[in-house]
Amino acid sequence: GAVVSQHPSRVICKSGTSVKIECRSLDFQATTMFWYRQFPKKSLMLMATSNEGSKATYEQGVEKDKFLINHASLTLSTLTVTSAHPEDSSFYICSAKPGTGRETQYFGPGTRLLVL
Amino acid sequence: SQQGEEDPQALSIQEGENATMNCSYKTSINNLQWYRQNSGRGLVHLILIRSNEREKHSGRLRVTLDTSKKSSSLLITASRAADTASYFCATAGYSTLTFGKGTMLLVSP
Repeated sequence: GAVVSQHPSRVICKSGTSVKIECRSLDFQATTMFWYRQFPKKSLMLMATSNEGSKATYEQGVEKDKFLINHASLTLSTLTVTSAHPEDSSFYICSAKPGTGRETQYFGPGTRLLVL
Repeated sequence: SQQGEEDPQALSIQEGENATMNCSYKTSINNLQWYRQNSGRGLVHLILIRSNEREKHSGRLRVTLDTSKKSSSLLITASRAADTASYFCATAGYSTLTFGKGTMLLVSP
């Protein structure tokens, strides 16, 4: 099956710093990538959808200046949490799919962010 | 919103028993998917059922879909301790997925 990786798997940072999380599709070209956020024992909430080469589409309530998404190539999307604060601590999961329609999404293993 | 709502929120059973989880949603869908998540880990795709399908099987998994009631169920038969995890349904519109709140399943040896 298709493989999606995330790096790092865990990150601890100080309040006020920025953190970049990478999402890579290893064996297919990901036209569309998604970023989700998950609080402990809660569901996944879609943050944004990114298509290669264009600006990300953010869900309502997600600050685009806070969560910068770049989808510069067909195999890589990055999420940068800028000026992180403790309330940004969460589990961030990306997914990717080869097209823009109804194809199956393939999920990464997630990145645990802890902001002190 | 077409967010799925799982029921029950938590389920505790003994090994060998069957586990049934339900999911309800609000709007029309293209398909409905079930995922599994072990604590603190990523998602594992279990099964997808399309809107024109009523039942689907995969190993010990059985999924039903009732579009008239906007509901789906996931049955895990002959459960094992290794089935302990959170299970989420996700409804698919044209391009995006919307996840339900999940059911935490605990299977005791």
